[in-house]
Amino acid sequence: DVKVTQSSRYLVKRTGEKVFLECVQDMDHENMFWYRQDPGLGLRLIYFSYDVKMKEKGDIPEGYSVSREKKERFSLILESASTNQTSMYLCASSLYPQGVSNQPQHFGDGTRLSIL
Amino acid sequence: KQEVTQIPAALSVPEGENLVLNCSFTDSAIYNLQWFRQDPGKGLTSLLLIQSSQREQTSGRLNASLDKSSGRSTLYIAASQPGDSATYLCAAPSDSGNNRLAFGKGNQVVVIP
Repeated sequence: DVKVTQSSRYLVKRTGEKVFLECVQDMDHENMFWYRQDPGLGLRLIYFSYDVKMKEKGDIPEGYSVSREKKERFSLILESASTNQTSMYLCASSLYPQGVSNQPQHFGDGTRLSIL
Repeated sequence: KQEVTQIPAALSVPEGENLVLNCSFTDSAIYNLQWFRQDPGKGLTSLLLIQSSQREQTSGRLNASLDKSSGRSTLYIAASQPGDSATYLCAAPSDSGNNRLAFGKGNQVVVIP
């Protein structure tokens, strides 16, 4: 079974802090994703990576950056946390792009981040 | 732009009834469609992925159908149990890129004992 592990289930930070959210997958997947999920807005893609050191902006990249130095690890960085970044953050991975293959996305358990 | 809609947002059913959850999508040129389950405060668990060449996909009490021409997928859960209470989301590849999924906002299901 695919295992996607997010480093923290709950995190509380202060405005202006630099925040790191870590995600690790154990199935040698090429693609990794960061989403945020908010009531009424559903899941929105922040960034994704299709290879080591490669990244692409999603729908809401402002205020975020990412890092993928190793294939199994994908980090989301909040450069200067703000209260409107309080949300549930979900990491996912897939072997190949789902638009051209039948490889599903697998999700981690999520990180509930609160910015005070 | 691919848009995925799930109506109603919430529903309750008595235990033992069959559940029928609907998902509609605007761009029928999809490669596949995926159904997920999400428990409160948790991540998404993949339930079924139905390929564009398939009309149905089954796993235990779950059955997903896909009708590309009408832009619809349906998830059936037979003989519902209280443990089926969760939010169910569907997702289809977005026309914005091969790596993007468009998600519905989910059906929040409560199975009443």
